[in-house]
Amino acid sequence: NAGVMQNPRHLVRRRGQEARLRCSPMKGHSHVYWYRQLPEEGLKFMVYLQKENIIDESGMPKERFSAEFPKEGPSILRIQQVVRGDSAAYFCASSPPSAETQYFGPGTRLLVL
Amino acid sequence: GDSVTQMEGPVTLSEEAFLTINCTYTATGYPSLFWYVQYPGEGLQLLLKATKADDKGSNKGFEATYRKETTSFHLEKGSVQVSDSAVYFCALASGGGSEKLVFGKGTKLTVNP
Repeated sequence: NAGVMQNPRHLVRRRGQEARLRCSPMKGHSHVYWYRQLPEEGLKFMVYLQKENIIDESGMPKERFSAEFPKEGPSILRIQQVVRGDSAAYFCASSPPSAETQYFGPGTRLLVL
Repeated sequence: GDSVTQMEGPVTLSEEAFLTINCTYTATGYPSLFWYVQYPGEGLQLLLKATKADDKGSNKGFEATYRKETTSFHLEKGSVQVSDSAVYFCALASGGGSEKLVFGKGTKLTVNP
């Protein structure tokens, strides 16, 4: 059973470009979570999705950030018009229904030049 | 809101030393508690968890006991190895429909031979 997969592992963008981060949950998992880790900091919750639904987006910045988890395909975290402060590691986690334990992917390290 | 406080790092130990990493939490309900470990350049791996008061989670020689009276979940290991060098995160899930994990800032452990 493959684990949570994220791609790309590393992403470099210039200010003003768009960043698209992908997450494929573990097989059988229908819940996806995105977290952001700034340098020397813990992980901060961003958004929680189930298939085709955003359940909790209380940690998402109000502008430029969006997330989706379509019926088919991976979950996408999109950051429009990136700024240097968006540089961070973005982790995706998944869990099966009615389960508290979240399993994390290897992360995407975004660098904004 | 819910929060997790971990002891400040970094922690440096010699091989076979005893390890304690303190973790306390604040939560309105009865959270589940977790320890995650992050090796350099990787994502988070679940180390152990406890879902109710007085539960003890254990894995790979690590232990932590859910203490409701002191709102603590301290991580311990009797004899650390060089391979235990990593960053350790304490986290809680408050449940009740809020599935997100709230993390401490992490404690970096270095074990020297």
